[in-house]
Amino acid sequence: AQKVTQAQTEISVVEKEDVTLDCVYETRDTTYYLFWYKQPPSGELVFLIRRNSFDEQNEISGRYSWNFQKSTSSFNFTITASQVVDSAVYFCVITGGGNKLTFGTGTQLKVEL
Amino acid sequence: DAGVIQSPRHEVTEMGQEVTLRCKPISGHNSLFWYRQTMMRGLELLIYFNNNVPIDDSGMPEDRFSAKMPNASFSTLKIQPSEPRDSAVYFCASSLEGYSNQPQHFGDGTRLSIL
Repeated sequence: AQKVTQAQTEISVVEKEDVTLDCVYETRDTTYYLFWYKQPPSGELVFLIRRNSFDEQNEISGRYSWNFQKSTSSFNFTITASQVVDSAVYFCVITGGGNKLTFGTGTQLKVEL
Repeated sequence: DAGVIQSPRHEVTEMGQEVTLRCKPISGHNSLFWYRQTMMRGLELLIYFNNNVPIDDSGMPEDRFSAKMPNASFSTLKIQPSEPRDSAVYFCASSLEGYSNQPQHFGDGTRLSIL
């Protein structure tokens, strides 16, 4: 069975601060995929990034960056210079064999002025 | 490009009534998923289809829930009879067939309230 732990239930920051959302996963699969999804207050779920278990390169996309470390089973997400529009619930997700996704419980990020 | 389209966006109905939620996946996607999101239980996978065939319905709560996918471009999730505890946001998602590395793309959800 797979499991994703997002220990941070809620994080509040002031605009322009950097913030890191933690994600720790468990899986017995040797090949697996990790994702981050964003759920803004409007409710939709937006795909942000995908990572496979063989690619530990960190990735940067604008103000977003992801740090994947197999040794610690972590896939952390950093937002640099946060903005109010980043306020959302962020889900870390894992999938192995088949298409079933296992979602973490989410981290509510609040960015205030 | 059109994303996953769900209807209705909101549904309020009385306990005991039949509820039908609809989903149109992204064209070319062969896998379709129904999820339910509640505060207490988070996001739960209810059922998923591959090439219109139900593959795993172990998440369907009980016999009151049923899902169909009559063709590649349409799916329904039906609750009959509905109960207040069915109140939740129901999401439909689609992805390319059989590739777990492909992201699932979600619709905007249907917010269901059973009174």
